[in-house]
Amino acid sequence: NAGVMQNPRHLVRRRGQEARLRCSPMKGHSHVYWYRQLPEEGLKFMVYLQKENIIDESGMPKERFSAEFPKEGPSILRIQQVVRGDSAAYFCASFPTRGDEKLFFGSGTQLSVL
Amino acid sequence: GESVGLHLPTLSVQEGDNSIINCAYSNSASDYFIWYKQESGKGPQFIIDIRSNMDKRQGQRVTVLLNKTVKHLSLQIAATQPGDSAVYFCAERGRDDKIIFGKGTRLHILP
Repeated sequence: NAGVMQNPRHLVRRRGQEARLRCSPMKGHSHVYWYRQLPEEGLKFMVYLQKENIIDESGMPKERFSAEFPKEGPSILRIQQVVRGDSAAYFCASFPTRGDEKLFFGSGTQLSVL
Repeated sequence: GESVGLHLPTLSVQEGDNSIINCAYSNSASDYFIWYKQESGKGPQFIIDIRSNMDKRQGQRVTVLLNKTVKHLSLQIAATQPGDSAVYFCAERGRDDKIIFGKGTRLHILP
C-alpha cells in the first residue's frame, strides 16, 4: 500500500512563474491537508480538502494560491506568480474519514523561488 | 497565530535515558492530540495520539500524557536511542476540525 506521494520533490521557479505541487493520497483516503513549513519552524495549515470540496481554506492566501482535489487524480496546490517569500517546503497529508484523523504525510515538495 | 506551543526548542538527552517533550495548548475545545516525529528532509511521521477523554496512552517505548486542567501535553520516550534524534511536533484538532501544529522541539541524543 503506497504512502502519500508528492511530486516533484524539488521545484525551482523564477519570480512570476507558476508552481504546481501534486499530492496523491494513500489509497482509500478522501481527505487531504496541505501545510507549509519554513526552516526550523512548524507546519502552518493552508487548506483542508475532501474530494471535489474545499472544507477549509482559511490558511491559504486569498491571492495567487489555489487548491483542488478532483474526483479523479491527485490534489493540486497551485501558486501563481511566485515570489521569493513562497520558498518553503509544502507537505500534503491524507486521512481516510472524519473520526479517523491520523494524518499520513508525504515527503514534501521543496519550492525554491529565484 | 497557532495555539499549540512548546516549552523548549531543543532538548539534549543522554542515550539510554528517558526523554520528556512538553507541549502547551490554548484551545480548551480541542478534542484530539497527536505527536509527530520529523527527521531531516522527511515528512512528519505519526507517533501516537490521544483523545480528550483520556489522560494517558502508551505505545511502544512512548507514552503520551494529557492534562486538560492546565492544557498540557507531553511525550515520554523510554530508553532514548540515536534513531530518536528528530524534531517532535505536537498537534491538536480544534473545534473547526483543523489540525494545527506547534513549532517543534529538536531532540538531540548525546552518546
